[in-house]
Amino acid sequence: RKEVEQDPGPFNVPEGATVTFNCTYSNSASQSFFWYRQDCRKEPKLLMSVYSSGNEDGRFTAQLNRASQYISLLIRDSKLSDSATYLCVVNPPGSGGYNKLIFGAGTRLAVHP
Amino acid sequence: SAVISQKPSRDICQRGTSLTIQCQVDSQVTMMFWYRQQPGQSLTLIATANQGSEATYESGFVIDKFPISRPNLTFSTLTVSNMSPEDSSIYLCSVEGFTSNEQFFGPGTRLTVL
Repeated sequence: RKEVEQDPGPFNVPEGATVTFNCTYSNSASQSFFWYRQDCRKEPKLLMSVYSSGNEDGRFTAQLNRASQYISLLIRDSKLSDSATYLCVVNPPGSGGYNKLIFGAGTRLAVHP
Repeated sequence: SAVISQKPSRDICQRGTSLTIQCQVDSQVTMMFWYRQQPGQSLTLIATANQGSEATYESGFVIDKFPISRPNLTFSTLTVSNMSPEDSSIYLCSVEGFTSNEQFFGPGTRLTVL
């Protein structure tokens, strides 16, 4: 089993749609969780951290369910500019004193007019 | 977040040669990380570089193939040695955030080996 698994995608949605990306992780003792966004031929950029209580940043809402080892990202009112690959990222325990990150394979989102 | 630059941004190399990639940060950081992103794949950590000590390599990566230098708190290099076409990838460096466990990435070096 992969350490971080994501919806395979791609998701093709019209502008204004609501879309949810799902992610599961294998190590129940993982410490920190993130969503990164990666545009074509660019580096990944931090979109948001994911907290146990859930958190929202504008149109983006992240949820964490530790019991199910599940993370989600919801995007409301999709914009053309949201088209990108979304990476689920986990910081597992036992990283030897540094913050090792494990990246999911990513889910591609394409928003069309 | 820190401003991170990488050189070169891209290169095309012949098999059997080596390429050194530079990563410069605009502030002092303890840890720097080197990742590889193969075509169509996600990021895989190669090694972690702490200033003043040997880099720590992940499973599947060895120092002879990917030697790393970390001469000071703002700079690191990754060398891809004796390259083969399978080494064609994007190589990215990153640094930790100042307040939590996230990392911030440089723009990457796109390497093509012929």
